[in-house]
Amino acid sequence: DAKTTQPPSMDCAEGRAANLPCNHSTISGNEYVYWYRQIHSQGPQYIIHGLKNNETNEMASLIITEDRKSSTLILPHATLRDTAVYYCIVGPNSNSGYALNFGKGTSLLVTP
Amino acid sequence: DGGITQSPKYLFRKEGQNVTLSCEQNLNHDAMYWYRQDPGQGLRLIYYSQIVNDFQKGDIAEGYSVSREKKESFPLTVTSAQKNPTAFYLCASSFGGVNTEAFFGQGTRLTVV
Repeated sequence: DAKTTQPPSMDCAEGRAANLPCNHSTISGNEYVYWYRQIHSQGPQYIIHGLKNNETNEMASLIITEDRKSSTLILPHATLRDTAVYYCIVGPNSNSGYALNFGKGTSLLVTP
Repeated sequence: DGGITQSPKYLFRKEGQNVTLSCEQNLNHDAMYWYRQDPGQGLRLIYYSQIVNDFQKGDIAEGYSVSREKKESFPLTVTSAQKNPTAFYLCASSFGGVNTEAFFGQGTRLTVV
């Protein structure tokens, strides 16, 4: 059962900010929002996660709305190497050993 | 270097043969996970283990088996009972619990002919 909704694909020009949206209207109070990305034929790479406050690290920023029903991952200056599938996940799932449930994600294409 | 290692990267087997995929981590993580990914799809959970000598079935455990004899290792066996074994297999580990991130290996692409 999908707990997040993401657009299937997005484009972004190199050097511009990439803003990837995610809806998670059924998120519960103790669930975090995680973002991962997967470059073709590689394992997923952790980007960032947060509970309710906005978060920033060297890779990206995570903006979570006050009602926590949606979030946006921001890559401030996209490069060609940021082309990947980006997964927004709420969890982890305590019923399955705190595993993360991955949907289909958003395929981001960064163009020159 | 700390990390999680899967081997081999590519694996070919004949139909009807069992095959074991390796997953090793030196991150001192308690929890380990196996996922399967089919083309254009997300990841589906096969098995997980929260502690040594204990493991639980995930969403698609039929045709697979695992063991967790050591904290560092969580091998996955794809048995002949798995009807569609050709897929990309991913192993992950974490400290378990909330507010922790999972780290993934680079995956094993299994092709059964």
